[in-house]
Amino acid sequence: AQKVTQAQTEISVVEKEDVTLDCVYETRDTTYYLFWYKQPPSGELVFLIRRNSFDEQNEISGRYSWNFQKSTSSFNFTITASQVVDSAVYFCALSGFSGGYNKLIFGAGTRLAVHP
Amino acid sequence: EAGVAQSPRYKIIEKRQSVAFWCNPISGHATLYWYQQILGQGPKLLIQFQNNGVVDDSQLPKDRFSAERLKGVDSTLKIQPAKLEDSAVYLCASSFVTSYNEQFFGPGTRLTVL
Repeated sequence: AQKVTQAQTEISVVEKEDVTLDCVYETRDTTYYLFWYKQPPSGELVFLIRRNSFDEQNEISGRYSWNFQKSTSSFNFTITASQVVDSAVYFCALSGFSGGYNKLIFGAGTRLAVHP
Repeated sequence: EAGVAQSPRYKIIEKRQSVAFWCNPISGHATLYWYQQILGQGPKLLIQFQNNGVVDDSQLPKDRFSAERLKGVDSTLKIQPAKLEDSAVYLCASSFVTSYNEQFFGPGTRLTVL
């Protein structure tokens, strides 16, 4: 069975603080993909990153960075120097070989509120 | 490049009524997905099409939900009859091939069943 857990339901920070969103996944597949999506108040999910299970290199894109650790089945997302525009719900998702890569399994999401 | 289009954006119906949602994917995207997102939860896949064929509908409540993608382009999702627990946002997404490709999402249709 595949599962994604985002234990943090809501996080509230003040602008310019750094914040880390946690994601823990479960899968028996050795080949799988992990994703992060952002859902702003408008409702449309916006793709942020895809990572395959063979690439454990951390990635940085501007203020965003991702830490993938297979040993702990975690794929955490850090926003550095948060801004009000970062306020949204963030979803971690998993797509695995056993599902033919056909199904994205989403976590319940973490709502981030960045206050001025 | 135009994004995934969905209509209507909002719909309010009484229980036992029928409702249909429409989705037009990004041009050239062979794969189309319908997701149900209940308030406070992550999206759950209802059905996936590859061109006009169904790839996965294992989580579609087939006694009341149906979907089609007749010409391999746009798609409709229908609920008949609706129940209170169908209140949710219905999201359509598309991608080039399969889920390991980036999926592009539409704005969703917010359904309220009274």
